[in-house]
Amino acid sequence: ETGVTQSPTHLIKTRGQQVTLRCSSQSGHNTVSWYQQALGQGPQFIFQYYREEENGRGNFPPRFSGLQFPNYSSELNVNALELDDSALYLCASSTAGGRGTDTQYFGPGTRLTVL
Amino acid sequence: GQSLEQPSEVTAVEGAIVQINCTYQTSGFYGLSWYQQHDGGAPTFLSYNALDGLEETGRFSSFLSRSDSYGYLLLQELQMKDSASYFCAVKAAGANNLFFGTGTRLTVIP
Repeated sequence: ETGVTQSPTHLIKTRGQQVTLRCSSQSGHNTVSWYQQALGQGPQFIFQYYREEENGRGNFPPRFSGLQFPNYSSELNVNALELDDSALYLCASSTAGGRGTDTQYFGPGTRLTVL
Repeated sequence: GQSLEQPSEVTAVEGAIVQINCTYQTSGFYGLSWYQQHDGGAPTFLSYNALDGLEETGRFSSFLSRSDSYGYLLLQELQMKDSASYFCAVKAAGANNLFFGTGTRLTVIP
């Protein structure tokens, strides 16, 4: 059973650019959640995808968007990058569309630096 | 709104026992989870309390009291590798996501 994987591990962009981050969910999981973690803080929920549909969204602007593919892998896209977007981006996979008590398993994250 | 408060830093000696507290303000949630995160690493699931009381998993135990809006993570027989950040987290009723606490950085010293 493979765990959650993310790519790339590190990324450097300049302000105004666009970025795409990728996540492969754990085998058997159909739900992917994305979180942003600024240095020294806890992860903050961006959005969740369940069976290729957005299934909940946190307090992030529309320039944060995503996709989920039929194999349940997912992409996070961020347009018009701002300096404050510099953070560790984590994806977590789970089952059951995030309902109830399903445990979320995190990938290693992508460290994004915006200059 | 929701809030989960934790002490920012805790230091403990190798071999000792340490308790990391989590006090919360949230109306209705499924349960309290605990995650460990080493520097530069992913949060790793440690423990989950759906009901009040103590859950034990090896050297780690977690406790929840809904009436007191309080939980804690207990780490026994501390090892140097336990130095990490620890987060409590809840999933609010009707929500799909985890809401994380402020995090506690544990440093284990020889």
